[in-house]
Amino acid sequence: GQQVMQIPQYQHVQEGEDFTTYCNSSTTLSNIQWYKQRPGGHPVFLIQLVKSGEVKKQKRLTFQFGEAKKNSSLHITATQTTDVGTYFCAGEIQGAQKLVFGQGTRLTINP
Amino acid sequence: DGGITQSPKYLFRKEGQNVTLSCEQNLNHDAMYWYRQDPGQGLRLIYYSQIVNDFQKGDIAEGYSVSREKKESFPLTVTSAQKNPTAFYLCASSRLAGWTDTQYFGPGTRLTVL
Repeated sequence: GQQVMQIPQYQHVQEGEDFTTYCNSSTTLSNIQWYKQRPGGHPVFLIQLVKSGEVKKQKRLTFQFGEAKKNSSLHITATQTTDVGTYFCAGEIQGAQKLVFGQGTRLTINP
Repeated sequence: DGGITQSPKYLFRKEGQNVTLSCEQNLNHDAMYWYRQDPGQGLRLIYYSQIVNDFQKGDIAEGYSVSREKKESFPLTVTSAQKNPTAFYLCASSRLAGWTDTQYFGPGTRLTVL
């Protein structure tokens, strides 16, 4: 079926190190959204990317949407303990009228 | 939390019983959604509603039912036909129908079936 694959599933870093999570789709996406879920919490919207090759920044977070609109990444520079949580991508499958979530990347940080 | 409430936060039920999870939003959003989250997995769509008195099945609708009699309310019933109901259930809403708009999630209900 239509899937959005997200890697890695888990990532443990030392505070101050960088972190990246990747999403890949087998089909073209109309747009991709990123959410963050803190431990014990619920997903909170971070950003949406719509255009091919789009890059958006939010402070230490950089989001990219691939040229073919089939992949995306989230990069965090110099992680802080407040970055702990699970990061999900969610892609709108073009023509399919649905939003498909990746499995999420769980980020843990050693202070 | 975006004006979406889910109750209760934790729910325990015996196997074979139906249970209804509440979801209310005061954001005047048109669309509402129910997702299921299992450990190590992403969110899977159970049902969604883009307008009052109308709803569609998501990817894993079997064993679940919903209603959308009011714009602000979208309750989910987990029936005894659902084979593995223990999970974290998340309700969400978006201002507009369609899949482009930001989804705002409620705090979730953790259902445990004993």
